[in-house]
Amino acid sequence: AQSVTQLDSHVSVSEGTPVLLRCNYSSSYSPSLFWYVQHPNKGLQLLLKYTSAATLVKGINGFEAEFKKSETSFHLTKPSAHMSDAAEYFCVVSDPTTSGTYKYIFGTGTRLKVLA
Amino acid sequence: DVKVTQSSRYLVKRTGEKVFLECVQDMDHENMFWYRQDPGLGLRLIYFSYDVKMKEKGDIPEGYSVSREKKERFSLILESASTNQTSMYLCASLTSGASTQYFGPGTRLTVL
Repeated sequence: AQSVTQLDSHVSVSEGTPVLLRCNYSSSYSPSLFWYVQHPNKGLQLLLKYTSAATLVKGINGFEAEFKKSETSFHLTKPSAHMSDAAEYFCVVSDPTTSGTYKYIFGTGTRLKVLA
Repeated sequence: DVKVTQSSRYLVKRTGEKVFLECVQDMDHENMFWYRQDPGLGLRLIYFSYDVKMKEKGDIPEGYSVSREKKERFSLILESASTNQTSMYLCASLTSGASTQYFGPGTRLTVL
């Protein structure tokens, strides 16, 4: 079965410093992996996705993630945090169903706080 | 752009009431999903549908049912609402062959 573990429930960084949000996955085959962001009182927005092409994936707003099969990791990074990055971030793995579609398995989320 | 809309942003109901949450997508997607989001638990899949009138249970289907009579609309039904169903409910859609789900804004349901 697929699973996702987000290693930190809360991360605090100062504005202008790097961001690292950690995600490990478990999969019996080559997975599709995603990062979503949810700002307060807003819906989920796709940041980036990995679907077995390049292992370094670039997303919106300067975020990127690297798929490392040997470490079963898909950590999210950004070189310089901005106040507007404060939000909750979810790591997601897609899981095939017997009906031929794909369902999502979500991590428990990491709340990013950016300090002025 | 894909648009997924949910009928209510906020909803307050009484214990024992029957509750309907509606989701509509405008991109002719075959697949639709209902999740609930709780602090510290992330999003958990309640039910999904891969075609009209076709449905499958997700990870936490107890206390819920669904209906998909038209391709664009997917309803989540709480037959007899209970306080432990107080949560944020999110709907998503996905076209067959693709991997990216598109989410609605969510409905925050409070059961008193």
